[in-house]
Amino acid sequence: DVKVTQSSRYLVKRTGEKVFLECVQDMDHENMFWYRQDPGLGLRLIYFSYDVKMKEKGDIPEGYSVSREKKERFSLILESASTNQTSMYLCASSSGGLTNYGYTFGSGTRLTVV
Amino acid sequence: AQSVTQLGSHVSVSEGALVLLRCNYSSSVPPYLFWYVQYPNQGLQLLLKYTTGATLVKGINGFEAEFKKSETSFHLTKPSAHMSDAAEYFCAVSVWNQGGKLIFGQGTELSVKP
Repeated sequence: DVKVTQSSRYLVKRTGEKVFLECVQDMDHENMFWYRQDPGLGLRLIYFSYDVKMKEKGDIPEGYSVSREKKERFSLILESASTNQTSMYLCASSSGGLTNYGYTFGSGTRLTVV
Repeated sequence: AQSVTQLGSHVSVSEGALVLLRCNYSSSVPPYLFWYVQYPNQGLQLLLKYTTGATLVKGINGFEAEFKKSETSFHLTKPSAHMSDAAEYFCAVSVWNQGGKLIFGQGTELSVKP
């Protein structure tokens, strides 16, 4: 069964810590995405990547960075965690090309910053 | 730019009743349209998608949606609600020349009463 795996389901971190959220997909997908999900706001795109070592800012990149050293892995980095980054983080991947078959999502990481 | 509006952040139906979740989109080019479902503390799962061809699309768990270009709508329906349908539902849009990036609506939480 193909899948997108997020390394942690729940995380609790302290304000100011550097936080790494890891995402791995086994579908050889070119595209990978990081979203955050907050009640009433839906899913907001943080960063995405169309290829190894490539990254593009989404709608809310401030306070975040990403790394894609290998095709299957896309990491989201919170440089200095703050309480307003408490949220559900969702990773997704999709195949490249012109036809969009939609995303495959991971199970999510619920991050609490205290 | 593309956008998605889901009418109603909360919808409540009785078990066995019709489910109707509304989605309107904005796109300057022919869109791809998707519905995803999210169960508590899980990632999003694809319910159905419209890319090209037949405008009535059938998905999993008895759901279907109809693409109506004249109304810029892609409403999700199910003839008879089941308790297990209680979840949050997201409509999303993308276009072929944006590398698979999806724009999501704010979500509709469906409650099913016994």
